Order: sequence, then C-alpha cells, then structure tokens
Amino acid sequence: DTGVSQDPRHKITKRGQNVTFRCDPISEHNRLYWYRQTLGQGPEFLTYFQNEAQLEKSRLLSDRFSAERPKGSFSTLEIQRTEQGDSAMYLCASSLRRNTEAFFGQGTRLTVV
Amino acid sequence: AQSVSQHNHHVILSEAASLELGCNYSYGGTVNLFWYVQYPGQHLQLLLKYFSGDPLVKGIKGFEAEFIKSKFSFNLRKPSVQWSDTAEYFCAVNGGGSQGNLIFGKGTKLSVKP
Repeated sequence: DTGVSQDPRHKITKRGQNVTFRCDPISEHNRLYWYRQTLGQGPEFLTYFQNEAQLEKSRLLSDRFSAERPKGSFSTLEIQRTEQGDSAMYLCASSLRRNTEAFFGQGTRLTVV
Repeated sequence: AQSVSQHNHHVILSEAASLELGCNYSYGGTVNLFWYVQYPGQHLQLLLKYFSGDPLVKGIKGFEAEFIKSKFSFNLRKPSVQWSDTAEYFCAVNGGGSQGNLIFGKGTKLSVKP
C-alpha cells in the first residue's frame, strides 16, 4: 500500500454529467499532483499543489476541469460536462518536497458513455 | 519543452534473459531521472532515481540504470529477468525549473515467458 488513496476506483458516467474524484495523499507530504493516463500512453501532468496553493496547471486542464486542495490535505478533481474524450485513468501522487520521490495512488478509472 | 522517448513499445523475453530498456530525454539542463514500474492491476512504483553523483544507479529487485549525459539517455537494465518482472515500465524526467512534476515516456510493456 503506497499510502496515497483515491476514491472512487471506478466511475462510469453519462456524457454531460459532472464527476468529482478525491485524493488523500500521504499525511506529511505537502506536494500533490494530478495526472491523466490513457491507453498506450504514460501519465500526463494535469496540475500541482503545494499545500493548499495550486501552483501549476497544464494546458491539458481545460475550463471544464477544476481542482482544489482545501487546508492542504486531501484534494478533489472535478470534471464538468464530461465528454467521451475524458475517459481515462486519473492518477494522484504526492511527495514530501520538490525533487523527491512521488508516490502514486491506484487511480480512478473514468468511463464516459 | 521536455519530452521522454522510450524506444520499445513491447519487449518479450524468456526468463534469465538480460534486459535493457532505452530512454532518452530532451532537455539540456539539470534533470532528475526516474524509472517507475506498474505491475498488472497495481499502482505505479518507483524502481530507481537519479539526482546527482554516480551515474550508475541501483534500484530495487536487481534493476539498475545508467545516466549518460552526453547521450541524454537513462537506460534501464537487469542481467537476468524473472517471470515476476512482467509489467509496464515508464521512464520519467523533471527539471528545467518545473515544480517537480514528472514528464513520462509512453512506457514499455515487458512480457517474460516462464
């Protein structure tokens, strides 16, 4: 067990619906990352938090995506008006500080039908 | 922009064969390099990492990697693979002023025949 928990593990939703995923990082880690992974690809960076501050966002993160990390603990990733192209594995990772090992969660697999 | 290339999409080996998986990155500055492994149905796990110092890095489960700066490469090796090494392997890099987010290659799927 890596210590990074993600919920739910699987989510099937209809196109146009909103979905929210949760990530609980390792407790002392102040850095939290969201990645997206599609079939045949490596994980792609979406966004990053240091404590509660969202410090970097990829251009992959369209206006329909929003992420929060209130109080610098758990984080949520919300996708509004889901599209079939949003179907992917959404991965969360945390690290103690910059340039240290990132620990990954099991991921949330989203299927948009 | 940084990028990572992994040369092989799928590698099939017999047990006890030697393994080398290629990884090249495209950034000329200081980088940190990683190999992650994803066993079937499991999360990504760190195999090894290079930050500085000895360019030959040893990781878990008998894996090692060599950083060759002049070739922008960080190839993964194992002298004798086992069936349990069947997994997908990802090379990743961070650097260039980024905040620590990783840029991953597309991955190499390794299948080891018993």
